[in-house]
Amino acid sequence: NAGVTQTPKFQVLKTGQSMTLQCAQDMNHNSMYWYRQDPGMGLRLIYYSASEGTTDKGEVPNGYNVSRLNKREFSLRLESAAPSQTSVYFCASSGVGIADTQYFGPGTRLTVL
Amino acid sequence: GQQLNQSPQSMFIQEGEDVSMNCTSSSIFNTWLWYKQDPGEGPVLLIALYKAGELTSNGRLTAQFGITRKDSFLNISASIPSDVGIYFCAGQGSGTYKYIFGTGTRLKVLA
Repeated sequence: NAGVTQTPKFQVLKTGQSMTLQCAQDMNHNSMYWYRQDPGMGLRLIYYSASEGTTDKGEVPNGYNVSRLNKREFSLRLESAAPSQTSVYFCASSGVGIADTQYFGPGTRLTVL
Repeated sequence: GQQLNQSPQSMFIQEGEDVSMNCTSSSIFNTWLWYKQDPGEGPVLLIALYKAGELTSNGRLTAQFGITRKDSFLNISASIPSDVGIYFCAGQGSGTYKYIFGTGTRLKVLA
């Protein structure tokens, strides 16, 4: 039982390049989330998926797109990376009910030059 | 939008001391979560609270769901060096899948 896994762990992009961050969970959770964490700040929600087939914007969605590929997988895409998107990205999942705890992956450290 | 104020922002304590930190919200929450994050790692869930007034322990950690539903507290007793890290609170309001996170309390323990 790996929990929440994320790939890659590290990535360096040039401005304007695109990439997809992958996330998978093996806990049969319904909801999945993407956050970004910047120095001195808490976690800010980018997008979330309450259940398979649905996605919704969070606090900072601009410049990102997401795909809930199936119940296990939730990907985050940067179409045209910008230096302001340099951050640590965390994927999380939560269980069956609306009021259920969130479990986090190890993070992807992204630098945009 | 909703905001969480977490305090203190950072603290240095001596090994063996007790630690207290808190989060306050501008609106009511139905769920409070407390996480610890070590450098280079994702946040790890410590305690979950689901009911106003609830007091829950996890080893040396005790957290409380404030009676007003707008605050929560985390206490660490007899701190040890491995308690070093950043502690985050997170709250969830009614009818939403979204969590709001505090900005974190950075704890440093002096041996």
